[in-house]
Amino acid sequence: DADVTQTPRNRITKTGKRIMLECSQTKGHDRMYWYRQDPGLGLRLIYYSFDVKDINKGEISDGYSVSRQAQAKFSLSLESAIPNQTALYFCATSDPGRLGYTFGSGTRLTVV
Amino acid sequence: SQQGEEDPQALSIQEGENATMNCSYKTSINNLQWYRQNSGRGLVHLILIRSNEREKHSGRLRVTLDTSKKSSSLLITASRAADTASYFCATGGNGGSQGNLIFGKGTKLSVKP
Repeated sequence: DADVTQTPRNRITKTGKRIMLECSQTKGHDRMYWYRQDPGLGLRLIYYSFDVKDINKGEISDGYSVSRQAQAKFSLSLESAIPNQTALYFCATSDPGRLGYTFGSGTRLTVV
Repeated sequence: SQQGEEDPQALSIQEGENATMNCSYKTSINNLQWYRQNSGRGLVHLILIRSNEREKHSGRLRVTLDTSKKSSSLLITASRAADTASYFCATGGNGGSQGNLIFGKGTKLSVKP
């Protein structure tokens, strides 16, 4: 099993719909992150969490919300999806002692 | 906003040649990391260099860091077709804060057999 698992892998949804992307990890890391990737823009941070009770906005949090249900689970929600939220979404984890991030395989989201 | 900027945006070389990618950043950092991304897949951590280090090696990878110029380079020696991927630099401890990694826009490397 992958260390960081994202579901679904691909999703097409309609404008205005609520959608949740899920992330679970077996690394035992306290820190979890959600990034989105757009062509030519690299990765941009949406939200991050340093432990279960800690949630922080990233660079582009508008239109998104998150929930840290447990150390191992961090979900991202789009309350009312819009077409410019079409992107590749990545969840990542890290250990403060090791610094490097472990990424999931991504969720490709298309909003039509 | 982007912290790291990779240069070039795209690089095409022949198998066996060396590939050099550069990264510039703006604020003080605690560490700089390089990641590889195969098309449409998750990023994979390659190597980390701390702000008090100048050079680091890992297999065919060599990373340098010049904090006075706020720049880093990644050298892949004796490249292989399997090295074809996008490479991203990411800076940590930006501006002295505990913070998060901030990623650049990446260099797309194509290694032709």
